Amino acid sequence: RKEVEQDPGPFNVPEGATVAFNCTYSNSASQSFFWYRQDCRKEPKLLMSVYSSGNEDGRFTAQLNRASQYISLLIRDSKLSDSATYLCVVNSGNTPLVFGKGTRLSVIA
Amino acid sequence: NAGVTQTPKFRVLKTGQSMTLLCAQDMNHEYMYWYRQDPGMGLRLIHYSVGEGTTAKGEVPDGYNVSRLKKQNFLLGLESAAPSQTSVYFCASSYRQSGLTEAFFGQGTRLTVV
Repeated sequence: RKEVEQDPGPFNVPEGATVAFNCTYSNSASQSFFWYRQDCRKEPKLLMSVYSSGNEDGRFTAQLNRASQYISLLIRDSKLSDSATYLCVVNSGNTPLVFGKGTRLSVIA
Repeated sequence: NAGVTQTPKFRVLKTGQSMTLLCAQDMNHEYMYWYRQDPGMGLRLIHYSVGEGTTAKGEVPDGYNVSRLKKQNFLLGLESAAPSQTSVYFCASSYRQSGLTEAFFGQGTRLTVV
């Protein structure tokens, strides 16, 4: 089983739609969780960290479910500019970040 | 606001040639990483460093060597390039390796081995 798994998509959604991505992780000792965004032919950039109680940043909401070992990202009122690949990232203590393969989102006008 | 800078940005090599990719960061980060990204494979860790003078193997280290002689620089070497090393290479750095710490990436190096 891969350490971090994501549905590769693509998710094609109309502008204004709500879309959600899930990510599962296999290491129960994982401590820190993140969502990174990667635009086509660009470097990954941190979108948001995921806190144990869940957290929101504008139209983006991240949640963590430790019991089921998954994290989620919800995007409300999708914009064309949200089109990108979203990478689920996990950190298991003092080790390098482990990246999922990413979920591709296309927001269509 | 340089952040993490990678050179070169593009390179074409012939099989068997060698080259060095340079990563420089100006954020005084202890931790530095080299990843490769291939279609459908995601980001895979090649080597990393937890401080000046240290290096460690990641998930896919074969065919690569690294050095961290100065805290701000992390070099990735290909001794004898192979077509399987055609990829996009990303360098990253972070202040620490645990907790909610952000990793900052360079813009990537697109390497083609023919």
